[in-house]
Amino acid sequence: GQQVMQIPQYQHVQEGEDFTTYCNSSTTLSNIQWYKQRPGGHPVFLIQLVKSGEVKKQKRLTFQFGEAKKNSSLHITATQTTDVGTYFCAGSEYGGSQGNLIFGKGTKLSVKP
Amino acid sequence: DAGITQSPRHKVTETGTPVTLRCHQTENHRYMYWYRQDPGHGLRLIHYSYGVKDTDKGEVSDGYSVSRSKTEDFLLTLESATSSQTSVYFCAISESYAFSGANVLTFGAGSRLTVL
Repeated sequence: GQQVMQIPQYQHVQEGEDFTTYCNSSTTLSNIQWYKQRPGGHPVFLIQLVKSGEVKKQKRLTFQFGEAKKNSSLHITATQTTDVGTYFCAGSEYGGSQGNLIFGKGTKLSVKP
Repeated sequence: DAGITQSPRHKVTETGTPVTLRCHQTENHRYMYWYRQDPGHGLRLIHYSYGVKDTDKGEVSDGYSVSRSKTEDFLLTLESATSSQTSVYFCAISESYAFSGANVLTFGAGSRLTVL
């Protein structure tokens, strides 16, 4: 079945450093979503990518969808303490059922001030 | 955030007892989901619903049942709780985005269940 792998599992950075998390799927995706979960909180939707090679930006966050639609990345420039949390990617297969959004295991980001 | 409420937020129970978690939404969204979150496993889908009385199994449905008698309520039941079902349970809702082929999820605050 479809698998979504996410690396790294943990990332510790100094405030001001950049951060990147990568998501890889065993199958071609119709789209990919990214969520952020603050410590003790619930996942919150950040963005959805649909097109091959798509790049979207939200302030210091840059999201990319690979040309083959099998991988994606989230890059944060100049991290801040407010970026702390776990970042999840979630992929959906073509022609899959409505409940086929498969989550990666997440990358937990800690930022040292 | 969308109007989505989970109850109870915390529960401690004993092995073998039945447990029901409730998810209530005020957004009139068609789709509702139950996920569990465990360290090292991320978010895993238990069951989902695509309408009143329409439900389907997810990745980890064994030991769980669901019901949706009204659009706004989605119940998750553990008929006989086991220690392996100790977890944080998240309800989520979504509307279909036809152009993308996938739903964007809005999550509830979560229900932390401990089975002793």
